[in-house]
Amino acid sequence: GAGVSQSPSNKVTEKGKDVELRCDPISGHTALYWYRQSLGQGLEFLIYFQGNSAPDKSGLPSDRFSAERTGGSVSTLTIQRTQQEDSAVYLCASSLEGRTDTQYFGPGTRLTVL
Amino acid sequence: AQSVAQPEDQVNVAEGNPLTVKCTYSVSGNPYLFWYVQYPNRGLQFLLKYITGDNLVKGSYGFEAEFNKSQTSFHLKKPSALVSDSALYFCAVRALGASKIIFGSGTRLSIRP
Repeated sequence: GAGVSQSPSNKVTEKGKDVELRCDPISGHTALYWYRQSLGQGLEFLIYFQGNSAPDKSGLPSDRFSAERTGGSVSTLTIQRTQQEDSAVYLCASSLEGRTDTQYFGPGTRLTVL
Repeated sequence: AQSVAQPEDQVNVAEGNPLTVKCTYSVSGNPYLFWYVQYPNRGLQFLLKYITGDNLVKGSYGFEAEFNKSQTSFHLKKPSALVSDSALYFCAVRALGASKIIFGSGTRLSIRP
């Protein structure tokens, strides 16, 4: 079956511009996560959606970052007024319910801020 | 607060030898523990997880991990390494009742022929 998909695969933008990154989770998965992976670094948790519950936004690094999940499916991560330090690979993952289930990761979006 | 540590940035092993990738964790209460692997230019893939029950967990590609509560460790092991095992390995932990999963910094495993 189809896995987690993310678009675009690569995004190059200029400092100060806004960007939107999209994640399509596996159908039926109620939990969705966003992570950031900087070069040579581990995965940094950003935000977690579980069903209709309020999202856990505790990992968002600043108020320039926001995310939404419409209809319990597709999610969009928005970065406003991008900075060079935002350059990273942004990974999305989904799982059946969230707490003990395996996460399935998308291929990521490589964001480069010039 | 929950945390996970992978003390080795890089592990080098000769093909055919056993390998160990270390992971220690800190959580309040019972942990859920995971190992993921990231091959070059590919997404993260699930290897194995410990939720409850038998402390020795077997996963994909011949890997296994042992949950040791007293040492708060969940080391990844394989009896005989393959060159194709060369990749970046991540340990992750979630505390019971917590909503998010925390990943370690990753260990790069290099298997030489």
